[in-house]
Parts: sequence; C-alpha cells; structure tokens
Amino acid sequence: NAGVMQNPRHLVRRRGQEARLRCSPMKGHSHVYWYRQLPEEGLKFMVYLQKENIIDESGMPKERFSAEFPKEGPSILRIQQVVRGDSAAYFCASSPKTGSYEQYFGPGTRLTVT
Amino acid sequence: GESVGLHLPTLSVQEGDNSIINCAYSNSASDYFIWYKQESGKGPQFIIDIRSNMDKRQGQRVTVLLNKTVKHLSLQIAATQPGDSAVYFCAEKRHNQGGKLIFGQGTELSVKP
Repeated sequence: NAGVMQNPRHLVRRRGQEARLRCSPMKGHSHVYWYRQLPEEGLKFMVYLQKENIIDESGMPKERFSAEFPKEGPSILRIQQVVRGDSAAYFCASSPKTGSYEQYFGPGTRLTVT
Repeated sequence: GESVGLHLPTLSVQEGDNSIINCAYSNSASDYFIWYKQESGKGPQFIIDIRSNMDKRQGQRVTVLLNKTVKHLSLQIAATQPGDSAVYFCAEKRHNQGGKLIFGQGTELSVKP
C-alpha cells in the first residue's frame, strides 16, 4: 500500500507568486487534512476536507489560502501572492472514514519564499 | 489559551536506557491522543494512540499512559536505540471539534551510543 504522497517535496517561490501543493491520500482514504509546520514548532491544523467538501477550515488564513479535494485527483492547497511568512513545511494527512481517528502523514512539501 | 504542551524541549538518554517523554493538555473535552515521531526532513510517523476511556496502552517497546485527573500524557520507550532519535509530538483530538489534531511543541530525543 502506497502511503500518503505529496508533491513537490520542495518548492521555491518568489514573493507574489502562487504556490500549489498536491496531496494524494492513501488508497481507500477519503478524508484529507492539511497542516503547517514552522521551524522548531509543532504542526498547526489548517483545513479538513472530504471529497468535494470542505468540512473544517478554521485554521486557514482568511486571505490568499484555499484548498480543494475534487472528486477525481489529488487534494490541492493553493497559496496566492506568497509572502516570506508563508515559508514552512506543509503536511497532508489522510484517514479512511468518518469516525476513524488515525491520521497518516505524507512526507511534506517544504515551501521557501524568496 | 487551550493547548497541548510538552514539559521538556530536549531529552538525552544513553542507548539501552528507558525514555519517558511527557505531555500536558488543558482541555478535558479531549477524547483521543496520539504520539508521533518525526525524523529530520520527514513527516510525522504514527507511534501509538490512546482513547480517553483508557489509562494505559502498550505497543512494541512503547507504552502510553494517560492521567485524566491531572491532564497528563506520557510516552515510555523501552531500551532506547539510536534509531529512536527524533522529535516526538503528542497530539489530541477534541470531542466537539471534528477530526483535526492539536499538536504540542515537541520534544527532541537524542540517544547517545
């Protein structure tokens, strides 16, 4: 069984550009979570999605950030007009079904804004 | 505010010794707790979990203890090995807040050979 896959693993963007981060959950998993990790800090929840639905976006910044999990294809976290403060590691996790508590994490995308 | 926090940011142990990593949480509505291990440049790796209706759970070389009275969680690693060197995070799920996990700051475990 392939684990959670994320790409790209490293992404460099200049200020003002857009960043797109992709996450393919584990096979059979229909729930996706995005977390952000700043250097030497714990992970901070951003958004929870099921197929074609945003369930909880309480951790998403109000502007420039959006997420989707379409019926077909990976989940996408989009950051528009990136700023240096967006530099972080972004992790995706998946779980199999509602009520399942376990979350399995991908390797992360390390975003650097120059 | 509400948070999950760790008592010690770093822990250094000798190979073969037992390690104990502690975690405090402040929300009594939390019903599920997980320990993750994160190696440098990698994503968090699930170690062990425990539900709030339990006070102890054992895995292979690891034990998690939950004390709801004082809102304290610990991870015990038996016969610590160099491969155990990593940052360890506790995370909680709160009963009324869906599936999101709330992570603590992390403890860096360093195992000396």
